[in-house]
Amino acid sequence: DAKTTQPNSMESNEEEPVHLPCNHSTISGTDYIHWYRQLPSQGPEYVIHGLTSNVNNRMASLAIAEDRKSSTLILHRATLRDAAVYYCILRDVPVYQLIWGAGTKLIIKP
Amino acid sequence: DGGITQSPKYLFRKEGQNVTLSCEQNLNHDAMYWYRQDPGQGLRLIYYSQIVNDFQKGDIAEGYSVSREKKESFPLTVTSAQKNPTAFYLCASSTHSGSMTGTQYFGPGTRLLVL
Repeated sequence: DAKTTQPNSMESNEEEPVHLPCNHSTISGTDYIHWYRQLPSQGPEYVIHGLTSNVNNRMASLAIAEDRKSSTLILHRATLRDAAVYYCILRDVPVYQLIWGAGTKLIIKP
Repeated sequence: DGGITQSPKYLFRKEGQNVTLSCEQNLNHDAMYWYRQDPGQGLRLIYYSQIVNDFQKGDIAEGYSVSREKKESFPLTVTSAQKNPTAFYLCASSTHSGSMTGTQYFGPGTRLLVL
């Protein structure tokens, strides 16, 4: 199974953009890139996903490298409520699982 | 409101006791999942079910059992064979697990502690 590598933690200031990196050098052509986040003592929530093209939604943007070996989750204007652990996950169709790593703990400073 | 509910929020287990964690969803999703999360770690898959009356083992199924008698419900039993059950347990659901997006929706979790 293709794996992802993320920094253990990152800090950012409130109301500034945040770029969360993810490396997935062994990604296959059918792997979708998913991002979830988990607030303390809560279940994870879906953030965004993509295959090849950059994606935008109301929560964030996902920038995918041309060779697909890395991607970046972009929070355009971080708030204190964005403090969470962010997971970058690859999903291979048709395997019915998400492979979870330890994620990046995002700390937002007021 | 549509969503996933888990109960109880906290559960205490005595040595040698079986306990059952509840998971209910009203999203009309076909697939349901149980994960275990240890402190500072990612999620590990215990069991998943793609359809009623069918389920498959995940990576760490030993010491756990499930049933899927109704589409809305996927209870997890932690048996006495699970020697280290203390963890945060998360239930999730999705439209058919073979869907292209694979987006999973999670419940609030149950924290299991051993007395």
